[in-house]
Amino acid sequence: SAVISQKPSRDICQRGTSLTIQCQVDSQVTMMFWYRQQPGQSLTLIATANQGSEATYESGFVIDKFPISRPNLTFSTLTVSNMSPEDSSIYLCSVSELVNYGYTFGSGTRLTVV
Amino acid sequence: GQQLNQSPQSMFIQEGEDVSMNCTSSSIFNTWLWYKQDPGEGPVLLIALYKAGELTSNGRLTAQFGITRKDSFLNISASIPSDVGIYFCAGQLRGAQKLVFGQGTRLTINP
Repeated sequence: SAVISQKPSRDICQRGTSLTIQCQVDSQVTMMFWYRQQPGQSLTLIATANQGSEATYESGFVIDKFPISRPNLTFSTLTVSNMSPEDSSIYLCSVSELVNYGYTFGSGTRLTVV
Repeated sequence: GQQLNQSPQSMFIQEGEDVSMNCTSSSIFNTWLWYKQDPGEGPVLLIALYKAGELTSNGRLTAQFGITRKDSFLNISASIPSDVGIYFCAGQLRGAQKLVFGQGTRLTINP
């Protein structure tokens, strides 16, 4: 399966600032997704990152708060903008491959906003 | 949105015991996936199920895709300390690319 490198692995940020998280895959993948996992909770899909076009956001998530880029089939970024303590979560990148139909996850970015 | 009801939320067992957890939904799913998440890591795929009635094993793990397509279970036999973690079911609706996740089952093992 694909190998995902997600950076940074963790960060502590001041409220009002922004953080960009990178997701690099070692092979070309069709679908890339960004999830949020709040402390002690399950995974919630933020958006599907579309190559060459605007991301598709889930209900409750907007582009101004979580801008996403996907310039090619192996790379995507998620920015958490104008952060508040409520944004403290683990953010996970996930990819879908045609070969095994599985969904692989990165190790996540643990974000703490103070 | 779509929801998966996963139970139990937590389990405290003795090493060597068998474990069973399940997920149910009011919706029909095309695919069921079971993941395990260790602290500080992303979820790792354990078993993927693609057909109603399918029963698949991965070592001591066995999972089944329910006949109604609305449920799935995961069994772990003869649990060992490294089985500790949070287990998530995830489903993919027909025609959809994204996954819907259950709330997770936190497994704790007493040696």
